[in-house]
Amino acid sequence: DGGITQSPKYLFRKEGQNVTLSCEQNLNHDAMYWYRQDPGQGLRLIYYSQIVNDFQKGDIAEGYSVSREKKESFPLTVTSAQKNPTAFYLCASSRRQGQNTGELFFGEGSRLTVL
Amino acid sequence: GENVEQHPSTLSVQEGDSAVIKCTYSDSASNYFPWYKQELGKGPQLIIDIRSNVGEKKDQRIAVTLNKTAKHFSLHITETQPEDSAVYFCAAVKGGVSDYKLSFGAGTTVTVRA
Repeated sequence: DGGITQSPKYLFRKEGQNVTLSCEQNLNHDAMYWYRQDPGQGLRLIYYSQIVNDFQKGDIAEGYSVSREKKESFPLTVTSAQKNPTAFYLCASSRRQGQNTGELFFGEGSRLTVL
Repeated sequence: GENVEQHPSTLSVQEGDSAVIKCTYSDSASNYFPWYKQELGKGPQLIIDIRSNVGEKKDQRIAVTLNKTAKHFSLHITETQPEDSAVYFCAAVKGGVSDYKLSFGAGTTVTVRA
């Protein structure tokens, strides 16, 4: 079945450590996104990528980094510079501009807890 | 940028009753308004959407209305069932630009009481 796979589902990290969240899609979508979800704050965009080897900062990019070396993969690294990293992280994808109906397809999320 | 406000933050309804969630947006150029449903432990999923050239859209028990003049749109769920319990997000976006960045509301937690 086509879809988006995020891993790990749960992750614990000590303060000062970097951690990388994986996101893989087999929908052949050009665009991929990372959102952060906190209680009462909805979904906030961290980074997005419209095409391989290109990505842009979203609204809350500080303390995060991404790469887009392959169309199907968009990993997110939460660095030690992120002051409040404990959150639920969602990866999404969509068709590229011009073919985009506007629909985002989400993975099931990764819950990061900093101890 | 676009700012989307969503109310209420929580909503409890008796099974069989209707539920209404309201959102307002700030950018009059926004022209696409999707609604997502997020079940516990899952990612959000699109349930219905509306574009600015349409005032109302219905799909079985759910409907969305759009008032462009007032810059608000609403989700209506009729004959609610236990499986409607979830968090619902509204969103708005200005299509036709170089990227498709949705601005989400803060979410509404809907609980359907049996």
